[in-house]
Amino acid sequence: AQSVTQLDSQVPVFEEAPVELRCNYSSSVSVYLFWYVQYPNQGLQLLLKYLSGSTLVKGINGFEAEFNKSQTSFHLRKPSVHISDTAEYFCAVSDDSGYALNFGKGTSLLVTP
Amino acid sequence: DAMVIQNPRYQVTQFGKPVTLSCSQTLNHNVMYWYQQKSSQAPKLLFHYYDKDFNNEADTPDNFQSRRPNTSFCFLDIRSPGLGDAAMYLCATSREERGYNEQFFGPGTRLTVL
Repeated sequence: AQSVTQLDSQVPVFEEAPVELRCNYSSSVSVYLFWYVQYPNQGLQLLLKYLSGSTLVKGINGFEAEFNKSQTSFHLRKPSVHISDTAEYFCAVSDDSGYALNFGKGTSLLVTP
Repeated sequence: DAMVIQNPRYQVTQFGKPVTLSCSQTLNHNVMYWYQQKSSQAPKLLFHYYDKDFNNEADTPDNFQSRRPNTSFCFLDIRSPGLGDAAMYLCATSREERGYNEQFFGPGTRLTVL
């Protein structure tokens, strides 16, 4: 079964600093990879997705991610974070059926002044 | 705007008292999902509907049921809520496209069990 591992449970960072949230996946077949953001007491919002093609994927709010097949990684990056980026970030992979999303345990990004 | 709506946003019930959470969508998507997300955990899929076909995850307790009377609406019924069922319940929708399903999530219903 396809799964993802988010290596950091919490990432504290200062405002305007760059950030990288790490995600590794395990799969024996083609994968579809996603990053979602969840603000407190809200649902999940799609940041970006990798389906095929270019390995560098750009998303909303200035985030981007790079699909690296050899390292089985899909790390999320932002060159300069804002206080408003404070949230929980989930990496997810689409399972073999194409329906269910298997989520990582999440990374809590805390941006401080 | 097309969207996924969940009502209520906050629901309080008593131990053992049946409760129903609702989800509606204006996206006209054919697939609808229910996830359970406990505090500080990842969302966990309970079941999904592909059109009218119900697909239960193997480890979803029998206490959880679902109904989808039409394309737009889907309900989550918890027959006898226990304290361990307190969680955020997320509804999502997707339209199958080229073998993958981008899922659109509602804001969630936070369930408290007293």
